[in-house]
Amino acid sequence: KAGVTQTPRYLIKTRGQQVTLSCSPISGHRSVSWYQQTPGQGLQFLFEYFSETQRNKGNFPGRFSGRQFSNSRSEMNVSTLELGDSALYLCASSFERDQPQHFGDGTRLSIL
Amino acid sequence: TQLLEQSPQFLSIQEGENLTVYCNSSSVFSSLQWYRQEPGEGPVLLVTVVTGGEVKKLKRLTFQFGDARKDSSLHITAAQPGDTGLYLCAGAKGNKLVFGAGTILRVKS
Repeated sequence: KAGVTQTPRYLIKTRGQQVTLSCSPISGHRSVSWYQQTPGQGLQFLFEYFSETQRNKGNFPGRFSGRQFSNSRSEMNVSTLELGDSALYLCASSFERDQPQHFGDGTRLSIL
Repeated sequence: TQLLEQSPQFLSIQEGENLTVYCNSSSVFSSLQWYRQEPGEGPVLLVTVVTGGEVKKLKRLTFQFGDARKDSSLHITAAQPGDTGLYLCAGAKGNKLVFGAGTILRVKS
């Protein structure tokens, strides 16, 4: 059974640009959550999607947004990139809400 | 301020030694999950504990959930170099996971 797939694995952008990251959940999983991991702040929750609707949102500015498609695949978008957005962005999926979450290997985003 | 306090932050031990990692909070969680993460990879789920007082064993790893569902511990018996990694506890509040800062474990052979 394939795990959570995130693309791309690595991305380099400059300040002011925007970026879109993609996540394909485990087959049959309907809930997708996004997290940001940095050395200073650790893993922090960004948002959760279920049935194409955002169900939960973390404490991040509006520059961070996402969506979920009818096949449960999800994308997150960050606009007007800042140096502090450099991080590992992780996607996690679960069969239903409130079920254990399984993570992908993340997208490493570097802002120059 | 971390909602989940994890300790110790770093642990460097010899192969064969035992160790315990702690995860404490003043909040009650519906469940608590332990993950292990290696460099360049995402966290891998080790266990989920749901019931207060619950103890789960996974080979040499023993996980315990506190009676009040506010804290948890991970005990590793006879650690091996392959146990090296970042261990993360995460408390579930609805479908949102709140992570501890993690414990970096290094097991020397």
